[in-house]
Amino acid sequence: DSGVTQTPKHLITATGQRVTLRCSPRSGDLSVYWYQQSLDQGLQFLIQYYNGEERAKGNILERFSAQQFPDLHSELNLSSLELGDSALYFCASSARTANYGYTFGSGTRLTVV
Amino acid sequence: QQQVKQSPQSLIVQKGGISIINCAYENTAFDYFPWYQQFPGKGPALLIAIRPDVSEKKEGRFTISFNKSAKQFSLHIMDSQPGDSATYFCAAWEGGSSNTGKLIFGQGTTLQVKP
Repeated sequence: DSGVTQTPKHLITATGQRVTLRCSPRSGDLSVYWYQQSLDQGLQFLIQYYNGEERAKGNILERFSAQQFPDLHSELNLSSLELGDSALYFCASSARTANYGYTFGSGTRLTVV
Repeated sequence: QQQVKQSPQSLIVQKGGISIINCAYENTAFDYFPWYQQFPGKGPALLIAIRPDVSEKKEGRFTISFNKSAKQFSLHIMDSQPGDSATYFCAAWEGGSSNTGKLIFGQGTTLQVKP
């Protein structure tokens, strides 16, 4: 157990729907990062939050949004889902910045049908 | 564009052999280079990391070699074992202002170690 908890582990939904992925960072970690992992794109950075504030943004689609709450857990919201959004979504946390080491969760596997 | 290029995409090595995975980067501002190991159904886990002021770092059977002038770094797994069979990702840290930045990952290498 890495200490980073992601729920749900699996999610199957239809095109056009909206889902929310949840991440609880390791105790004491203030930074949360979201990544998308697909077979052809590898691990793609989506967004970073630090202590509740958005700090860095990658190629995150406008249909996707995230937030980090006062208790430091984070949610990634995916809307108007398309078949191509099917992927593994990982959350990682770190105490400060990632050059102190990311800790990844086990991921949420999203299947859009 | 792919800022961190990793090769090979897949690798098969006999037990006891040396596994070598290579990565190249473009951005000279990258200042931290970790390697992650991922087993099926699990998230990537930090394996070993190096900073650009060091040319080599060894931890057990795992060694990172870093060539700053060539903008390349590699992972060597000595005495490879079947338990090392996993996907390996190199990465580079792109920092920003305070508490800002991200790891940029290579495409991954699937390693199979045959008994």
